[in-house]
Amino acid sequence: DQQVKQNSPSLSVQEGRISILNCDYTNSMFDYFLWYKKYPAEGPTFLISISSIKDKNEDGRFTVFLNKSAKHLSLHIVPSQPGDSAVYFCAAILSGGYQKVTFGTGTKLQVIP
Amino acid sequence: GAGVSQSPRYKVAKRGQDVALRCDPISGHVSLFWYQQALGQGPEFLTYFQNEAQLDKSGLPSDRFFAERPEGSVSTLKIQRTQQEDSAVYLCASSLKRVETQYFGPGTRLLVL
Repeated sequence: DQQVKQNSPSLSVQEGRISILNCDYTNSMFDYFLWYKKYPAEGPTFLISISSIKDKNEDGRFTVFLNKSAKHLSLHIVPSQPGDSAVYFCAAILSGGYQKVTFGTGTKLQVIP
Repeated sequence: GAGVSQSPRYKVAKRGQDVALRCDPISGHVSLFWYQQALGQGPEFLTYFQNEAQLDKSGLPSDRFFAERPEGSVSTLKIQRTQQEDSAVYLCASSLKRVETQYFGPGTRLLVL
């Protein structure tokens, strides 16, 4: 039972344009969401996060939007750069202090120069 | 080295063989996490330590999997009688305290033949 879903396995975007990566979740008890970026042969690195009490968080070129009613979040990268080419994982943490992260299956982003 | 390190980086095992995977967390990090990442999937939680105490082992797939962190620093994930379905990348992560701020190691790629 996949509680965090990334339905697009891959995405190609031109350099300079916006990249939008989507994520859906099923468990309404998730209250904290994260995006990780992963290069080949490396571990995931934290990118940006959002608490369920917010609907938007911005950090430089990266913005995460949360729609709790739709159980949907998205990551926007503007402008996209070739160095952004990587696999992006959406992840969620349950409320109640659980120290367990549930990951999606990932979206491979390719930014074309 | 300031980051999380894991060894070996690659391990080939014959089915039925026991393996031990090592994780050196960032110095001073209290929390340590193990994940299993199958090909084309996101990381899946295996277990969590706070110092030497294993507080959550709900993700360990079978009693063939065992993890320890005896002195609250280095951790070892042991897999007994390996099976082909154990083939995956095993990721370790550490954080000062909470999982939201975890840092990942590069992973150990295990191939069971």
